[in-house]
Amino acid sequence: SQQGEEDPQALSIQEGENATMNCSYKTSINNLQWYRQNSGRGLVHLILIRSNEREKHSGRLRVTLDTSKKSSSLLITASRAADTASYFCATASGGSYIPTFGRGTSLIVHP
Amino acid sequence: KAGVTQTPRYLIKTRGQQVTLSCSPISGHRSVSWYQQTPGQGLQFLFEYFSETQRNKGNFPGRFSGRQFSNSRSEMNVSTLELGDSALYLCASSFGIRDGDTQYFGPGTRLTVL
Repeated sequence: SQQGEEDPQALSIQEGENATMNCSYKTSINNLQWYRQNSGRGLVHLILIRSNEREKHSGRLRVTLDTSKKSSSLLITASRAADTASYFCATASGGSYIPTFGRGTSLIVHP
Repeated sequence: KAGVTQTPRYLIKTRGQQVTLSCSPISGHRSVSWYQQTPGQGLQFLFEYFSETQRNKGNFPGRFSGRQFSNSRSEMNVSTLELGDSALYLCASSFGIRDGDTQYFGPGTRLTVL
């Protein structure tokens, strides 16, 4: 079974708008990562946030982590058509070298 | 530094055949993981190899097997192929020395079983 569950499953926005995706998980984690996958290709690592961190930024990406609610959000600001992809959260719990992936959010950014 | 490479990129097989997929990790990475991705099941973990030993295993039948060589390159084998094995097979490498290490993915092998 998958640890992280992304919400919404699909998101369609216009270029320039912000996109927010959420990830909820069930058990305590050591860290949470976000990945992007362009259609039919490999996943690309975007950002890692550790359980003792609350917010991280990377360019137009902002990730928050609320361990009390067991949730994380990924915000993409000023979206571009090139941001069209699926976004996955992956959680790592104690003793696991392998992160567990959710089902992903499919983001479409219309030019 | 070169990324993770997978060969072949595309493969068409028929039911009952077997297939071997190859993955070359990033230099210095000792952990190689394999994932199966399908529209219905999403991204599912197959197994992970670290220093030539299978360290973690997902919930797949014994028809799915793998190995890792001393240079960290890995192969995955699927025997007696079924239609449901049609999927994108992704390989990822990492240092594999602490919890939730960042996984670096290859482009995948698209397997179609007819």
